[in-house]
Amino acid sequence: DIQMTQSPSSLSASVGDRVTITCRASQSISTFLNWYQHKPGKAPKLLIYAASSFQSGVPSRFSGSGSGTDFTLTISSLQPEDFATYYCQQSYSLFTFGPGTKVDVK
Amino acid sequence: QVQLVESGGGVVQPGGSLRLSCAASGFTFSTYGMHWVRQAPGKGLEWVAFIQYDGINKYYADSVKGRFTISRDNSKNTLYLQMNSLRAEDTAVYYCAKDQGGSCLDYWGQGTLVIVSS
Repeated sequence: DIQMTQSPSSLSASVGDRVTITCRASQSISTFLNWYQHKPGKAPKLLIYAASSFQSGVPSRFSGSGSGTDFTLTISSLQPEDFATYYCQQSYSLFTFGPGTKVDVK
Repeated sequence: QVQLVESGGGVVQPGGSLRLSCAASGFTFSTYGMHWVRQAPGKGLEWVAFIQYDGINKYYADSVKGRFTISRDNSKNTLYLQMNSLRAEDTAVYYCAKDQGGSCLDYWGQGTLVIVSS
């Protein structure tokens, strides 16, 4: 089974900050890596698919990069609506989510 | 617009059974794979099961294999999750989600809560 890790597990940031979240796979997954945003009581939302492709309607401040085992989600300028938990997910071999990174207010 | 509405959650005793449903609209249901994903209280997202568009191929997480069954009725645009031999650790919000290309989950429902407790 492919295991996913994320770092940090949580971070505190201010509006306008640049935020970077890292995701690592236990084996190479090419670019079969997606990113989701999840707010309490809401449906999770797909942000980035295939490591770096934007889902329709997602603000351009979100970007993804990486291939193989190491991936990054970057929020270029954090907005109030971006405080949430972010998950990476691999689809190279079945499906596995990372443990999540909670972004909260500094 | 795509809509996914889960139902069927509730309180069930350990060892009991429950069937979840997910009503889909706004897209051609019969041409897309579908997933179930859950989130236990205070925990992260856990993928549970996937079914291909035609219902022939099904895949499960090890934690539910042999106890849960995913199925679909394309004539009713509805996805199901039959959950048997429920355990306390199955307590979670269960989400259905639409698959895109066997890769990502591009639309999600709001979830239905399952509590396994005596």
